[in-house]
Amino acid sequence: QKEVEQNSGPLSVPEGAIASLNCTYSDRGSQSFFWYRQYSGKSPELIMSIYSNGDKEDGRFTAQLNKASQYVSLLIRDSQPSDSATYLCAVNRNFNKFYFGSGTKLNVKP
Amino acid sequence: GAVVSQHPSWVICKSGTSVKIECRSLDFQATTMFWYRQFPKQSLMLMATSNEGSKATYEQGVEKDKFLINHASLTLSTLTVTSAHPEDSSFYICSALRASGTSTTDTQYFGPGTRLTVL
Repeated sequence: QKEVEQNSGPLSVPEGAIASLNCTYSDRGSQSFFWYRQYSGKSPELIMSIYSNGDKEDGRFTAQLNKASQYVSLLIRDSQPSDSATYLCAVNRNFNKFYFGSGTKLNVKP
Repeated sequence: GAVVSQHPSWVICKSGTSVKIECRSLDFQATTMFWYRQFPKQSLMLMATSNEGSKATYEQGVEKDKFLINHASLTLSTLTVTSAHPEDSSFYICSALRASGTSTTDTQYFGPGTRLTVL
């Protein structure tokens, strides 16, 4: 079982819709959770971090964490073509041991 | 945010030569930096964890004598690919760990990456 699992996609949504990206993790002791965006040929860029159960909103992005279900999600409202990228979920277990998912490719169609 | 730079952004070298890549945290100190490699359309692969003032920790399967890592200061880590061969051609990305006071909320910030092509 992988430490962090994501659907590879591609996930296609029309412009203006809500994109929902999901991630599950295997270690209940995981402490912090991150979403990164990676455009083709570029390095990952931090979008959001979340540490507590519930929702965390930042502009058009909302991260959701459910530790009981070992589930993290990222919602992107009013999706734009510029949001088309691969989204990486990352988990910090303990003592800065990070695990990355393989990423979900998002296509936002104009 | 936090800024991490890498230099060079791309490099082309001949087989058998060595290449050094620098990773700098520009606006914070980083006791820990990470080095990743990514092949086209593949996932990030962690190569090693670099700790300031101590030896790097390499992931299984990564040759420490081929990929030399030095973390001499709190803002600089270097990766040297020794005796590079065409199969070492890849996108090398570093990240720096920005400490928050508790290790559970420390955050990785990535450099822009270095594209290495070995002829």
